[in-house]
Amino acid sequence: ETGVTQSPTHLIKTRGQQVTLRCSSQSGHNTVSWYQQALGQGPQFIFQYYREEENGRGNFPPRFSGLQFPNYSSELNVNALELDDSALYLCASSLGGGSSYNEQFFGPGTRLTVL
Amino acid sequence: AQSVTQPDIHITVSEGASLELRCNYSYGATPYLFWYVQSPGQGLQLLLKYFSGDTLVQGIKGFEAEFKRSQSSFNLRKPSVHWSDAAEYFCAVGRVNNNDMRFGAGTRLTVKP
Repeated sequence: ETGVTQSPTHLIKTRGQQVTLRCSSQSGHNTVSWYQQALGQGPQFIFQYYREEENGRGNFPPRFSGLQFPNYSSELNVNALELDDSALYLCASSLGGGSSYNEQFFGPGTRLTVL
Repeated sequence: AQSVTQPDIHITVSEGASLELRCNYSYGATPYLFWYVQSPGQGLQLLLKYFSGDTLVQGIKGFEAEFKRSQSSFNLRKPSVHWSDAAEYFCAVGRVNNNDMRFGAGTRLTVKP
């Protein structure tokens, strides 16, 4: 059984650029959640995708968007990058969306630095 | 909205000593409560969770936590800490039919030899 994987591991961008982060969910999982973890903070919920549809969103602006593909892998896109977007981006997969009841399995994250 | 407070930013304990990490939550109904551990370069790993029932919850790696509704707390404990327990620990609260899980800011655990 393959765990959650994320790519790339590290990324450096400049302010105003756009970035795409990728996540492969654990085998059999149909739900992917994305979190932003700023330095010294806990993860903050960005949004969740369940069966290719957005299924809940945290307090993040529309320049944070996502996709989920038929194989349940997912992308996080961030447009017009700002310095405060520098963070570790975590993806978590689970089975069955819409509730915290379903255990989430986290990937190792993508470290994004915005200069 | 639910929220989580971890009052201790950093805790240092000696190997073999007992450990208690504090977590206080704010939520109007019975929450789902979680403890996760994060080692450097790793994702979050679930240690244990509480949904209902017995308020003392056993988890992996010898950890346990106790849900105290009257104190809005869910403290994590371990009777004897190992050097490999050094990591960042996060408490989180979730809700039924809601996927917006809220995490505390974390407690960094250092283990002295």
